[in-house]
Amino acid sequence: KQEVTQIPAALSVPEGENLVLNCSFTDSAIYNLQWFRQDPGKGLTSLLLIQSSQREQTSGRLNASLDKSSGRSTLYIAASQPGDSATYLCAVLDNYGQNFVFGPGTRLSVLP
Amino acid sequence: SAVISQKPSRDICQRGTSLTIQCQVDSQVTMMFWYRQQPGQSLTLIATANQGSEATYESGFVIDKFPISRPNLTFSTLTVSNMSPEDSSIYLCSANPSGANVLTFGAGSRLTVL
Repeated sequence: KQEVTQIPAALSVPEGENLVLNCSFTDSAIYNLQWFRQDPGKGLTSLLLIQSSQREQTSGRLNASLDKSSGRSTLYIAASQPGDSATYLCAVLDNYGQNFVFGPGTRLSVLP
Repeated sequence: SAVISQKPSRDICQRGTSLTIQCQVDSQVTMMFWYRQQPGQSLTLIATANQGSEATYESGFVIDKFPISRPNLTFSTLTVSNMSPEDSSIYLCSANPSGANVLTFGAGSRLTVL
């Protein structure tokens, strides 16, 4: 059974810092991996999608990498801003394309 | 990308009552998913709803408690029945538009049961 973990559970940084969020999964037979952002009490907003054949994806200040063989993905946020404060979740899709499994999330606070 | 509208955005309900959450997608989708997110927790899949068939429920979730309708390819409802305070959560619907294996979410329904 696929399990997804995220480290750290919470992170607080001053504005302007670069930071890395980590996502690990136990079964490397994945179809893709998706990073989401969730603001308090809200739904999820998709940030980046990495297909299993890809190594990384970039969108603006965000860069996500995938090392499928080791079961790890990282989300790199450059020059963090207070508006980046949110919970970041990763989710993997199994090779059958049916089952999305979510990590517990990392709660990020960027202090002005 | 698809836009998913979900309502109500929040509600406060009395114990023992039922609430139906609606989810509308702006394009046709084969599979829609209902998730629950309890306070401080990650998402747990309740069920997968395919048009024209019974929803498939995950372990720990049953149809009597969470009946789901999927009358067409753009709409689904989730009912939380006979609510108790333990049902207080955010309920999220999502879909996999165009079979792209990318999840898109509604804004969520925050339910508080007194």
